[in-house]
Amino acid sequence: EVQLVESGGGGVQPGRSLRLSCEASGITFGDHVMHWVRQAPGKGLEWVSGITWNSGTIAYADSVQGRFTLSRDNAKNSLYLQMNSLRPEDTALYYCAKGGGHSGYDLTGHMDVWGKGTTVIVSS
Amino acid sequence: SYVLTQPPSVSVAPGKTAKITCGGNKIGSKSVHWYQQKPGQAPVMVIHYDSARPSGIPERFSGSNSGNTATLTISRVEVGDEAGYYCQVWDSGREHVVFGGGTKLTVL
Repeated sequence: EVQLVESGGGGVQPGRSLRLSCEASGITFGDHVMHWVRQAPGKGLEWVSGITWNSGTIAYADSVQGRFTLSRDNAKNSLYLQMNSLRPEDTALYYCAKGGGHSGYDLTGHMDVWGKGTTVIVSS
Repeated sequence: SYVLTQPPSVSVAPGKTAKITCGGNKIGSKSVHWYQQKPGQAPVMVIHYDSARPSGIPERFSGSNSGNTATLTISRVEVGDEAGYYCQVWDSGREHVVFGGGTKLTVL
């Protein structure tokens, strides 16, 4: 069974940093594109960032560009999101999702497996 | 940036057909993916590449995409279909994933 498990969420003050992790099982992690998607309380889905299998291409939403850094360690079946200079508007449930596109280079496709999410609260 | 527009809510009686639209400029030239999200749960993909249904998704779910509108159609709606539904595309101009604002389906 394919499983994605997020961790690292919590409460943090504005301007501080947090690092989210996503550990995959049941798949050959290194073959796949991976994404982070977030959902603020009572709001819709917002894509945050995506990464190709070899980290050759990493894309970010405008709202996090320059503050968040996405990385992966295929040997550890893990995806990471380093979040710096956090703002109250970053408060959300953060989902890790596996890309289901045509290849490990394809950021354009759908997301066919999702984790349960980890909550980030940014507040003073 | 590319914008996807969905109606905030759609209501339908059990056994009837629900149509949820996703509007975007020339969206027919893009691949559209649809997700279902029930309260307190993670999203689940129900349609990919406009009209392909993944294994495990009932045949009652179908999709189409043409011109400026993509549509998710749910036939013979059941109470269990009550959920939020989101469309998604890739904005090749900005190299971003884009989600629609979501539509809450209420089964009366």
